[in-house]
Amino acid sequence: ETGVTQTPRHLVMGMTNKKSLKCEQHLGHNAMYWYKQSAKKPLELMFVYNFKEQTENNSVPSRFSPECPNSSHLFLHLHTLQPEDSALYLCASSQQRGQGDNEQFFGPGTRLTVL
Amino acid sequence: KNEVEQSPQNLTAQEGEFITINCSYSVGISALHWLQQHPGGGIVSLFMLSSGKKKHGRLIATINIQEKHSSLHITASHPRDSAVYICAAANYGGSQGNLIFGKGTKLSVKP
Repeated sequence: ETGVTQTPRHLVMGMTNKKSLKCEQHLGHNAMYWYKQSAKKPLELMFVYNFKEQTENNSVPSRFSPECPNSSHLFLHLHTLQPEDSALYLCASSQQRGQGDNEQFFGPGTRLTVL
Repeated sequence: KNEVEQSPQNLTAQEGEFITINCSYSVGISALHWLQQHPGGGIVSLFMLSSGKKKHGRLIATINIQEKHSSLHITASHPRDSAVYICAAANYGGSQGNLIFGKGTKLSVKP
């Protein structure tokens, strides 16, 4: 596997379910990101991890809980979501955060539908 | 008003046409990114530039720092260029390194 992978690619869940999204990067990067993309809206940054430490939480509701066990893996744990949380969730990685000219490499995304 | 504005929102072209997508930003930046998103959702980085012009195949990206404006050009467009093109500004101040995204330009190239 190369690049940034995400699983699952599609997820349908009820509002009372608990699920997790997984992201893995094989690029040797030190920074990883979660983004949310809703219809008709720009990409929204949710969380940033740099060298496994969370460096940004962009006012995300607590029903989204990130976890970064190492520089290659990033999870997004979901619980008691709302229908308006239905969106494409994208993971990205870059060499490191803190340098605005870092190129980010994106995964294919997880299409989440909350019923 | 968004900090990164793109125009047009939607663009339909005939195969072979020259295409221009525009991006204006209001923040100080360290770099400007152009990204391509295909219908499946995955995003690919096309260019990252902080001055002047870059070219890759049929794609050309330019930036004017004084005017806070960038353009993405596609020469001899092809149906496989159909995608959403997203401009993103790497914010110079505040949360350094974070990208501020435009809403995207949906391009459809007809054969």
